[in-house]
Amino acid sequence: DTEVTQTPKHLVMGMTNKKSLKCEQHMGHRAMYWYKQKAKKPPELMFVYSYEKLSINESVPSRFSPECPNSSLLNLHLHALQPEDSALYLCASSPGQGGATNEKLFFGSGTQLSVL
Amino acid sequence: RKEVEQDPGPFNVPEGATVAFNCTYSNSASQSFFWYRQDCRKEPKLLMSVYSSGNEDGRFTAQLNRASQYISLLIRDSKLSDSATYLCVVNPPSGGYQKVTFGTGTKLQVIP
Repeated sequence: DTEVTQTPKHLVMGMTNKKSLKCEQHMGHRAMYWYKQKAKKPPELMFVYSYEKLSINESVPSRFSPECPNSSLLNLHLHALQPEDSALYLCASSPGQGGATNEKLFFGSGTQLSVL
Repeated sequence: RKEVEQDPGPFNVPEGATVAFNCTYSNSASQSFFWYRQDCRKEPKLLMSVYSSGNEDGRFTAQLNRASQYISLLIRDSKLSDSATYLCVVNPPSGGYQKVTFGTGTKLQVIP
């Protein structure tokens, strides 16, 4: 199983809503990532979890709150988002072998988020 | 200078043509390199790793030039299904694997 599964595929939310994005992998990977991608731009790193601990937060606004309940699951909780937060949100995982230089990223199919 | 640079294109090529993209990187200590393919509104998918000696996978050939700090992707006998954006990815030196750097992507359009 080489899949990273993300739900939902599409999400429309108002600026006062609270919603969550979910990501799951069963490849035994120990690093999991959230990326944000705007149209015609490359993916932009938001958060990295390594061995279930938050290791990187790329100065993401607090209206985005990540959570890693266990080594297979990664959530992104959304609250009071702005219209400019509309984007494709991608989850990814990698083996996370610590110090390895050939880490390959496996991406989920993404959640297309629209904030109204 | 950007960490990783690509010509955004678009590259419009006829079916059957050979096309090549380059990607330059600024950190000479970078250790590993990849090409990803991304279709419109889809996730990036790993196309191939790039090895120092160069490597080939069917119609695709990837090469690394450490002296000039660039990687390349050559596609032979282009198919309509090759139309996509090609992203180069550069991993930092050992220990920093979590912060890979994506190039801005090169868009390829194969025309019938």
